[in-house]
Amino acid sequence: RKEVEQDPGPFNVPEGATVAFNCTYSNSASQSFFWYRQDCRKEPKLLMSVYSSGNEDGRFTAQLNRASQYISLLIRDSKLSDSATYLCVASGGSYIPTFGRGTSLIVHP
Amino acid sequence: GAVVSQHPSWVICKSGTSVKIECRSLDFQATTMFWYRQFPKQSLMLMATSNEGSKATYEQGVEKDKFLINHASLTLSTLTVTSAHPEDSSFYICSAPDRATEAFFGQGTRLTVV
Repeated sequence: RKEVEQDPGPFNVPEGATVAFNCTYSNSASQSFFWYRQDCRKEPKLLMSVYSSGNEDGRFTAQLNRASQYISLLIRDSKLSDSATYLCVASGGSYIPTFGRGTSLIVHP
Repeated sequence: GAVVSQHPSWVICKSGTSVKIECRSLDFQATTMFWYRQFPKQSLMLMATSNEGSKATYEQGVEKDKFLINHASLTLSTLTVTSAHPEDSSFYICSAPDRATEAFFGQGTRLTVV
């Protein structure tokens, strides 16, 4: 079983739609969680950290459920520019990021 | 924000030759850097952890004699792919945490071995 699992998609949604991604992690010792965005052939870039209390940044909302060991990312009012691969990351105390396979999002007009 | 610079961004080499990839932290010191490899439509897979002043730690299945890592200073780590073969063609990315909350990535190196 992979340490971090994501539905690879692709999620194909129209502009303005709301889309949600889920990610599960197997290492209960994981302490830090993040969502990264990766455009084709580019390096991943931090989208947002994920806190137990949940956090929101504009159209993006991330939530963490430690009991069920899953992380979610909600994107509201999707834009064409949101098209990318979204990577879920979990790490332990020594901070070696473990990446999920990524979920591909395609936003169409 | 913290910046990690990786060079070259792409390289084409012949089978059997060696390729060196550099990863530099530009505005912070990184005692630890991570090297990842990403095949098409696959996730980033950790290859090794580079430690300044000591030997790198390799993940299971990664040949330490083939992927040589040197972390000579607090701002530079290098990955050398020795005797490269076509199956080594991939996207290689380095990462360095400036603190225990975020990882910063180099731009990545696309290696093609012909």
